[in-house]
Amino acid sequence: DVQLVQSGGEVRKPGDSLKISCKASGYTFTSYWIAWVRQMPGRGLEWMGLTYPADSDTRYSPSFEGHVTISADKSINTAYLEWRSLKASDTAIYYCVLPEIIRGGGADYWGQGTLVTVSS
Amino acid sequence: QSVLTQPPSASGTPGQTVTISCSGSKIGSNFVFWYRQLPGTAPTLLIYRNNQRPSGVPDRFSGSKSGTSASLAISGLRSEDEADYYCAVWDDRLSGLFGGGTKLTVL
Repeated sequence: DVQLVQSGGEVRKPGDSLKISCKASGYTFTSYWIAWVRQMPGRGLEWMGLTYPADSDTRYSPSFEGHVTISADKSINTAYLEWRSLKASDTAIYYCVLPEIIRGGGADYWGQGTLVTVSS
Repeated sequence: QSVLTQPPSASGTPGQTVTISCSGSKIGSNFVFWYRQLPGTAPTLLIYRNNQRPSGVPDRFSGSKSGTSASLAISGLRSEDEADYYCAVWDDRLSGLFGGGTKLTVL
């Protein structure tokens, strides 16, 4: 079965760096793009970007480019979302996603979400 | 910047049929997907590629698309359908776009 298991919640201060992870299993990690989605408290879903683990090709939403880095380590089937300098407005739940449009088969796969809290 | 517009709220009584709309220019040339999100959980796929139901999703849920608009219909409304519903499209560059979400209340 396909599974995306994310790292645990994090509490950081503004200006801190952070890298959260998404461990994939149950499929060939290098064959499909994997995406990240943000959900701020009480708000809707926002597509952030995605990466192709086989060659590290990465695409970003204009709203997030320059502020986060999406990457993957194909040797350990893990995708990452990274910040060099967090802001309070980065407080949100972040999901990694293998969308149906990419893998097909009539199913979507989401991680359980990682809550990132940025507060001084 | 392209947007997908959904009504912020919808409501119905048990047994009724409720329809949630989604409109935006990107719908015209891309598949539409619908998600349901229960409080404190990750979204789950309800409809994919405009009108297809994933395995396990009851046929009470149906999707349609016409031009630059799409709709999700929920028939035989139940209390457990109370949730947030999102439409989404993924374009040919694999850029995703979500609607703002509709909070469905079962009265």
